[in-house]
Amino acid sequence: QKEVEQDPGPLSVPEGAIVSLNCTYSNSAFQYFMWYRQYSRKGPELLMYTYSSGNKEDGRFTAQVDKSSKYISLFIRDSQPSDSATYLCAMSLDGGSQGNLIFGKGTKLSVKP
Amino acid sequence: EAQVTQNPRYLITVTGKKLTVTCSQNMNHEYMSWYRQDPGLGLRQIYYSMNVEVTDKGDVPEGYKVSRKEKRNFPLILESPSPNQTSLYFCATSLRPADTQYFGPGTRLTVL
Repeated sequence: QKEVEQDPGPLSVPEGAIVSLNCTYSNSAFQYFMWYRQYSRKGPELLMYTYSSGNKEDGRFTAQVDKSSKYISLFIRDSQPSDSATYLCAMSLDGGSQGNLIFGKGTKLSVKP
Repeated sequence: EAQVTQNPRYLITVTGKKLTVTCSQNMNHEYMSWYRQDPGLGLRQIYYSMNVEVTDKGDVPEGYKVSRKEKRNFPLILESPSPNQTSLYFCATSLRPADTQYFGPGTRLTVL
C-alpha cells in the first residue's frame, strides 16, 4: 500500500460547481497536511496548510482532515475556470525536522465555463 | 521578492552529454531539494540538502549528482544523461525539511 493515495482524475466540472478532492494515507503518525496547486508549466504552490484533524477555511477553499479515517479533502466552492490546475496533497510527521514531505500524485481539475 | 530560480527552463540534449541545472534561492533557507515530476508517478525527490556541504539521497538518486557549496545555490548535475531522465525537474526550498516548500518554475529536460 502506497503511503499517500490520490485519484489522478482528470476531473471535469462546470463553472460554479462544488469540487471535492481527496487523499488517503496509511501512516497514522502524519500530523501536518497541505494542499498544493500547480498550474500548467508552473511549479506547485502552497494553497492550504492544516494541522491534525478538523477544518480550515480560506475563501472558497476548505481543507478537511479526518485522522480517524486517514482521509483528507479539499473542497472548492463556486469553482472558477481559474481553478483549473493539478492539486497535490502533501503530509508530514511533524512539519519540521523529522522526515520529508510525502506528496500525492496529484488530481488534474478542469473547470469549464 | 522571495524567489527560487532555475536555469535553463528548457533543455534538449543528447545521451551522454553532461549537463547542469542550476537552482538559486534568496530566502536564506537551509533546506533545498530536487524533484522530478513524471506523468502517473507524481513528484519524486532526487536529492536534498540540509545545509551547506550536507546532501543526501532522496527516492530516485541514480544518475544524478548535487553539490551545496553556498547556501543559496543547489545545482543538479547529470554526468551522463540517458533518455529515462527526460522529465520535468523542480527545485524546492524550505526552512525545514517538512515545512512549506517553495518551488522553482521547473526545467523541462529532454534527452534524445
